Amino acid sequence: NAGVTQTPKFQVLKTGQSMTLQCAQDMNHEYMSWYRQDPGMGLRLIHYSVGAGITDQGEVPNGYNVSRSTTEDFPLRLLSAAPSQTSVYFCASSYSTNYFGYTFGSGTRLTVV
Amino acid sequence: AQTVTQSQPEMSVQEAETVTLSCTYDTSENNYYLFWYKQPPSRQMILVIRQEAYKQQNATENRFSVNFQKAAKSFSLKISDSQLGDTAMYFCAFMKFTSGTYKYIFGTGTRLKVLA
Repeated sequence: NAGVTQTPKFQVLKTGQSMTLQCAQDMNHEYMSWYRQDPGMGLRLIHYSVGAGITDQGEVPNGYNVSRSTTEDFPLRLLSAAPSQTSVYFCASSYSTNYFGYTFGSGTRLTVV
Repeated sequence: AQTVTQSQPEMSVQEAETVTLSCTYDTSENNYYLFWYKQPPSRQMILVIRQEAYKQQNATENRFSVNFQKAAKSFSLKISDSQLGDTAMYFCAFMKFTSGTYKYIFGTGTRLKVLA
């Protein structure tokens, strides 16, 4: 089925470890983004990309890196995990205008101990 | 700066009844888009309904409709004939296109429980 695929669904990390959250979409969407969801805070934008080779920072980029080598893939890298990065992470994609809203992945629940 | 406020952290409604979730926003823009997203216990975020600010007619999608009051900066979601499957967290979102990209602001969500 067409959509946004996120892996893994759950992950536990130790403080200081690094990892990559994977995101892939097969809808030829130009725009992709990463959000984190924390209780009582809605969704906050981490990084986004308007097309292959182009990325930019969102509201809460510290501690995260992204790259966009293809239209389909937009991985999120945690460089050195901290307990403050415990959250649910969502990848979302849309056409460049986004007038029709996002398509979201199913999320990754990350716990940093 | 734009803000989106959902003042009802939790609500409940009896099955088959109607419920309205409120959302207000603050902006000086004239052209923008508003969305309601649903997040059921499965965690998947699903677009429920969207509204273009330049359209006066309120959007409707089956049992879901909005009451868009542009002057009051209000964008409430009405769910008619509530079903158990409507139990979810609902997020209101504001979006504008600016400087070659677009900016999304999400509210903090309203948790809706439909009671049998």
